[in-house]
Amino acid sequence: QVQLVQSGAEVKKPGSSVKVSCKASGGTFDTYAISWVRQAPGQGLEWMGGIIPFFGPPNYSPKFQGRVTITADKSTSTVYMDLSNLKSEDAAVYYCARATRSHYYYDMDVWGQGTTVTVSS
Amino acid sequence: EIVLTQSPGTLSLSPGERATLSCGASHTVSSGYLAWYQQKPGQAPRLLIYRAANRASGIPDRFSGSGSGTDFTLTISRLESEDFAVYYCQQYGSSPYTFGQGTKLEIK
Repeated sequence: QVQLVQSGAEVKKPGSSVKVSCKASGGTFDTYAISWVRQAPGQGLEWMGGIIPFFGPPNYSPKFQGRVTITADKSTSTVYMDLSNLKSEDAAVYYCARATRSHYYYDMDVWGQGTTVTVSS
Repeated sequence: EIVLTQSPGTLSLSPGERATLSCGASHTVSSGYLAWYQQKPGQAPRLLIYRAANRASGIPDRFSGSGSGTDFTLTISRLESEDFAVYYCQQYGSSPYTFGQGTKLEIK
């Protein structure tokens, strides 16, 4: 049974950066896309970007290009999402999610528990 | 970027009724790569349907998906109490892999 476990809640100041981790266990890591999806309070889901660790490089939504960095550590089966220059509108729950099949950003059937990021001065 | 528009924004129905949710795309969704997710408060999304019409593992057969090109539908044949939630469509045919804004299915 594949599981994704995310790092804990963060409180950050505007202009700073946040790095959220997503550790995979129980299945193949390298060839499955891991995406980052965020959800602002009371709002919908937003795909930020993702990575297929075996292939790298990351695939970013143009909205976040230049501010987001997604990396993978194959030795620990962990994917990281780093978002810089935080604004108040970046306050959200950030989810990582795994594609159902390998080698592409397919539909996602395994989700992390979510990490709440608060941005406040 | 493909924009997905879901309708209605809110759907008020009673248990036992049939629900029909729509998802329209601004451009053709490549290979029919359209998924539906259910989300309940405080929970991560749950995959229901993939590639427009295929039920994910463990999803009851009262959930069905249809459509192609730019028009897709999620149908719940007979609503049960646990089905009242928010539903999102997502296209994964071309990056960025966008979501619709969601349809809230509420108890009438």
